[in-house]
Amino acid sequence: QQQVKQSPQSLIVQKGGISIINCAYENTAFDYFPWYQQFPGKGPALLIAIRPDVSEKKEGRFTISFNKSAKQFSLHIMDSQPGDSATYFCAASIEGQNFVFGPGTRLSVLP
Amino acid sequence: KAGVTQTPRYLIKTRGQQVTLSCSPISGHRSVSWYQQTPGQGLQFLFEYFSETQRNKGNFPGRFSGRQFSNSRSEMNVSTLELGDSALYLCASAGGGFTEAFFGQGTRLTVV
Repeated sequence: QQQVKQSPQSLIVQKGGISIINCAYENTAFDYFPWYQQFPGKGPALLIAIRPDVSEKKEGRFTISFNKSAKQFSLHIMDSQPGDSATYFCAASIEGQNFVFGPGTRLSVLP
Repeated sequence: KAGVTQTPRYLIKTRGQQVTLSCSPISGHRSVSWYQQTPGQGLQFLFEYFSETQRNKGNFPGRFSGRQFSNSRSEMNVSTLELGDSALYLCASAGGGFTEAFFGQGTRLTVV
């Protein structure tokens, strides 16, 4: 019940395209859903986060869509750039503690 | 504002030895969490300390332990190292609640 599922495992997108990564969770007690971006040799960095009281949050080219009834949330990267090539992790937590991470999606944006 | 500092960056240890990793959180942050990252298992939560008390614990054996000092710096110890403990160990600091958790660059531990 603590698991967060993430798909796809890897994703290849052309420059300028839309990258979409999906996550699903089971534990309805989760109340904070961040997305992290990780470059090789670096620690994960927070991209954007959402709470279940909103269905969408947008920050620049990054948008989280949240479906509480389906227990799913997704990250959309608009106008994907080669610099966006990284591994993306979704996560879920209760009151900002004890994060459970998805297995990650390796995104490659082709120039 | 200085980020999260983890030391050392790289470590090579022999099976059966023990190791101590250090994490200095962002000034003012009282929460420090530790994670193990491996290609096969992804990011797994080890434990979280808040104001010198272990607040949450993941599903790892007792060989993995930690502590937090009064200045919020944290250490993680792994005893009787096994080959499977080879991983990137990350710590994250936060101000508590829903504030952003900042990760350090990690310590790459290799057990031979």
